[in-house]
Amino acid sequence: QKEVEQDPGPLSVPEGAIVSLNCTYSNSAFQYFMWYRQYSRKGPELLMYTYSSGNKEDGRFTAQVDKSSKYISLFIRDSQPSDSATYLCAMSAGAGKSTFGDGTTLTVKP
Amino acid sequence: EADIYQTPRYLVIGTGKKITLECSQTMGHDKMYWYQQDPGMELHLIHYSYGVNSTEKGDLSSESTVSRIRTEHFPLTLESARPSHTSQYLCASSEDRETNYGYTFGSGTRLTVV
Repeated sequence: QKEVEQDPGPLSVPEGAIVSLNCTYSNSAFQYFMWYRQYSRKGPELLMYTYSSGNKEDGRFTAQVDKSSKYISLFIRDSQPSDSATYLCAMSAGAGKSTFGDGTTLTVKP
Repeated sequence: EADIYQTPRYLVIGTGKKITLECSQTMGHDKMYWYQQDPGMELHLIHYSYGVNSTEKGDLSSESTVSRIRTEHFPLTLESARPSHTSQYLCASSEDRETNYGYTFGSGTRLTVV
């Protein structure tokens, strides 16, 4: 069983919808949680970075971590066609290697 | 501007050839990584380095090698390319600050072995 499981998708939503992307994990040592966005034919870019449980908001994006349930989410409000990309969750126990989910491909239709 | 650079962006090469994929970063990060990304977007760690003269194999068995002679440079070499090596190769680096253990990725090298 993988340490990190990500909702597989693909996900298709109309413009303006609220999007929820989710990952679960099994390693209790994970303390740092990341979300990356990857456009086609590009490398992933770091979108959100959080430490331990709680919420973090950045514009239309909210990252949520529930360590008791080993569950993390990324919410996108007022989704735009430019949000169409693959979203990867990642997590680590500290400095060094991160463990990635398999990615969820999102399409936002105008 | 601090960044991470990969060259070439695209490469088509014949079976049996030796190739080196270049990766350089200008951020002074000690930690660097090479990932192979499948068409379904899953990332597989093939090599990593936590500093000069330090390299380790990752989770994916690979016929490649890496070197880290300078902090900013982390090249990946395939001694004998095979069609099974056809993939996208991503280089990344990270810093040691607890406020940001996330990675900065390059744009990738898309390799096709024919």
